[in-house]
Amino acid sequence: EPEVTQTPSHQVTQMGQEVILRCVPISNHLYFYWYRQILGQKVEFLVSFYNNEISEKSEIFDDQFSVERPDGSNFTLKIRSTKLEDSAMYFCASSESGAEYFGAGTRLSVL
Amino acid sequence: AQSVTQLDSQVPVFEEAPVELRCNYSSSVSVYLFWYVQYPNQGLQLLLKYLSGSTLVKGINGFEAEFNKSQTSFHLRKPSVHISDTAEYFCAVTGSLLTDSWGKLQFGAGTQVVVTP
Repeated sequence: EPEVTQTPSHQVTQMGQEVILRCVPISNHLYFYWYRQILGQKVEFLVSFYNNEISEKSEIFDDQFSVERPDGSNFTLKIRSTKLEDSAMYFCASSESGAEYFGAGTRLSVL
Repeated sequence: AQSVTQLDSQVPVFEEAPVELRCNYSSSVSVYLFWYVQYPNQGLQLLLKYLSGSTLVKGINGFEAEFNKSQTSFHLRKPSVHISDTAEYFCAVTGSLLTDSWGKLQFGAGTQVVVTP
C-alpha cells in the first residue's frame, strides 16, 4: 500500500540553526501539506501546496518557514532559524482530492 | 472556518465492550469529516472518512461513524474493542472541495482510548 514517508524520524538541532524536514508523498497525489503537533496540543495546519506553489498557510507559517518541491518526488519543509518553540512533531500529508494521508512524522527537538 | 470539539479526553473501556467517541464540529460551509488514529510513537492513520453519500461510513479495524448534519456530529463507534485499539483518536474536519477552506484540516484535541482486559 502506498504511503507517505518522512525523514529523519528524529532531528535534534541547536537554536538558531536551519533544519530541513523531508517528505516523499504518495506518488499520484497532487496536494501536499505540513502539520505540526506540539507535545500535549492539537495537530495544527501549517501549509498546503499545489501546482508548485503554496495554496494556503496558517499564521504559524511565518518568514522562517518555507516549503519546496525540488523534484518530482520530494517535498521539504525548511525552518531557517529554529527557536525553542519550534520543538514539535511535524507531519507531512498528501491527498488526491479527498482524504489526506499522513507520514509517521519527524520529531524536531530544538535545544 | 471550521472547528472540532472532542468531548472526551480519555475513555477507559474493557476488552470486548463497545466504545463511542464523540465529535462535534462547527462550519458555515459543507464539510468533509475524518477520524484518524495515532498509536504510540506512530503517525496519523486514516480510520474513515465522510465526503458525501451515505451518512454511515465504515472504516478499518471494525470502526464506523455516523454523520449527523442536524446535530453537527460525527461520532465514532466500535461494537467490540481489542487491547490493540488502545491509541489516541482524532476527529478532523475540512471544508468540502470547492470551498475556500478545503484541504486545511482542523483537528480535535484527541481522545485517548485505554482498553483493559
